[in-house]
Amino acid sequence: DTEVTQTPKHLVMGMTNKKSLKCEQHMGHRAMYWYKQKAKKPPELMFVYSYEKLSINESVPSRFSPECPNSSLLNLHLHALQPEDSALYLCASSLAVGAYEQYFGPGTRLTVT
Amino acid sequence: GESVGLHLPTLSVQEGDNSIINCAYSNSASDYFIWYKQESGKGPQFIIDIRSNMDKRQGQRVTVLLNKTVKHLSLQIAATQPGDSAVYFCADAFSGGYNKLIFGAGTRLAVHP
Repeated sequence: DTEVTQTPKHLVMGMTNKKSLKCEQHMGHRAMYWYKQKAKKPPELMFVYSYEKLSINESVPSRFSPECPNSSLLNLHLHALQPEDSALYLCASSLAVGAYEQYFGPGTRLTVT
Repeated sequence: GESVGLHLPTLSVQEGDNSIINCAYSNSASDYFIWYKQESGKGPQFIIDIRSNMDKRQGQRVTVLLNKTVKHLSLQIAATQPGDSAVYFCADAFSGGYNKLIFGAGTRLAVHP
């Protein structure tokens, strides 16, 4: 299995809602990532988890809360988002942090109304 | 500051022609680069990578060239097919430390029959 899966594919939420994005991989990778991608822009790193511990937070607002319950799962909890947070949220994984290729999931298209 | 840039935002080619997508980087210490392909509505897909101890690396119909002297890399696609139509990103896996990728702005490749 060389796949990173993400659910849901699409999500529409209001600014007062709480929702979660989910990511899963079964490649035995120990590094997992969240990226945000706006239209016609490259992905921008948000968080890095290494061996289930948060390794990097790229100064992301606290309304985004990541969680790594085990080595295969990565969640992104969303609360009180703003319309400008609407974007494609991509999950990726790699064998470890370091000079290894990252494999991306298909993303969750988030719209904040 | 660090940057990974591409020379052309859009590249149009005829089916069957060879395509060349260019990328410049600014950090002379960068030593690992990845090319990704992103089709509409999908996450980035790993194509090929190259480390600084190499000048050239070949895959199936793709070749990446690295010129460390001028800090430039290119992706060559042989016999371009309609299925190659996508946005192509180069990514520097060093500039931000080994924990993250710095993506270039992307080049859209349009293949015409």
